Amino acid sequence: QLQLQESGPGLVKPSETLSLTCSVSGGSISGGTYYWGWIRQPPGKGLEWIGNIFYSGNTYYNPSLKSRVTMSVDTSKNQFSLKVSSLNAADTAVYYCARYVVGYSWDEPFDIWGQGTMVIVSS
Amino acid sequence: DIQMTQSPSSLSASVGDRVTITCRANQGIRTDLGWYQQKPGKAPKRLIYAASTLQSGVPSRFSGSGSGTEFTLTISSLQPEDFATYYCLQHNSYPLTFGGGTKVEIK
Repeated sequence: QLQLQESGPGLVKPSETLSLTCSVSGGSISGGTYYWGWIRQPPGKGLEWIGNIFYSGNTYYNPSLKSRVTMSVDTSKNQFSLKVSSLNAADTAVYYCARYVVGYSWDEPFDIWGQGTMVIVSS
Repeated sequence: DIQMTQSPSSLSASVGDRVTITCRANQGIRTDLGWYQQKPGKAPKRLIYAASTLQSGVPSRFSGSGSGTEFTLTISSLQPEDFATYYCLQHNSYPLTFGGGTKVEIK
């Protein structure tokens, strides 16, 4: 049973860089045709897609965040990571990692999710 | 970017009611759409993918339909555990975009 688990600091100061890691267990991050994604949700608000990464390093980012976001993969640790720079209060959110399956006829986005990690941007 | 307009933003319904939620895309997305259920403090759970394919393990009272620009999620007989917020997600093109959500509350 594939499981995802986010980890990172719960509190980050404005203007600093947030670093989050998603650890994948029960399966290989480089097995199959999967992208790995990050989604966030500000308190009381809806879901926002941040980006997807393939194990090879190919990435897609949300243009609204692209200048501040970097995603990476560490296949040796079966993990993928998210960095968001120049943080401000609007980046306060629950951050989720999730699996995105690429199929022949259609994709199957975000079938498995981590539990989420709350990040507060505050001095 | 493809915009997903979800309606209503909230609704009140009783156990046993039939509930329909709609998502409209501002351009055609074939059937590249999923539906997610989220309960407070929990990660979203996928219910439907490819617009109408039921995720394994999801009760058959949930169904999805539509293609192109208009999609619906129907709960045929609302159960107590169905009170939650529902989101659609288009994955026809990047950036992926979610609808604004529909909160289903108890009447």
